[in-house]
Amino acid sequence: DTAVSQTPKYLVTQMGNDKSIKCEQNLGHDTMYWYKQDSKKFLKIMFSYNNKELIINETVPNRFSPKSPDKAHLNLHINSLELGDSAVYFCASSQGVSTYGSTFGSGTRLTVV
Amino acid sequence: GNSVTQMEGPVTLSEEAFLTINCTYTATGYPSLFWYVQYPGEGLQLLLKATKADDKGSNKGFEATYRKETTSFHLEKGSVQVSDSAVYFCALSEDRQLTFGSGTQLTVLP
Repeated sequence: DTAVSQTPKYLVTQMGNDKSIKCEQNLGHDTMYWYKQDSKKFLKIMFSYNNKELIINETVPNRFSPKSPDKAHLNLHINSLELGDSAVYFCASSQGVSTYGSTFGSGTRLTVV
Repeated sequence: GNSVTQMEGPVTLSEEAFLTINCTYTATGYPSLFWYVQYPGEGLQLLLKATKADDKGSNKGFEATYRKETTSFHLEKGSVQVSDSAVYFCALSEDRQLTFGSGTQLTVLP
């Protein structure tokens, strides 16, 4: 059973489109995250939700909107996609405040053309 | 703010060579420290962790010791294998979030 699953794994879309990436975890964790990994492999946190409440919201364009319908899901919706949004997006989860590390999904490679 | 600095890659080694990937950190308090590994096409996996000074994390032959005096958490392995080829990330946890280093690409040649 996959602990943190993201869909889709690959996403190719045109500039200006709106797209969503879904994430689900079956670990019973109470905190979920979205990270962006750029072409140089640098990982940067975007959002974090604890018990469905937004607790970390780094400086990302407001075209990115996370949605957490319940503790097990954290979806990422992106409006008006731009070329610079091309990256690999990772979802992760943890129990509490990441003191013992997070479990990551396998990533969604987004390509904007 | 918190930050993690790790040695730039790529690092290329022959099988059975000794590996060291340096990592130093800046934090306001007493963070937990981690090494994550990312194999090609996969997500990050927690490799090892240390939650307080002088703790040694170890897993799969890799080791790292939390050195508060030098604010370091260097990753070592005595004899690398081809299957260790991956990107390695040093990270710290404080204030409810993980802060990552920029990653170090390791390639092990047979």
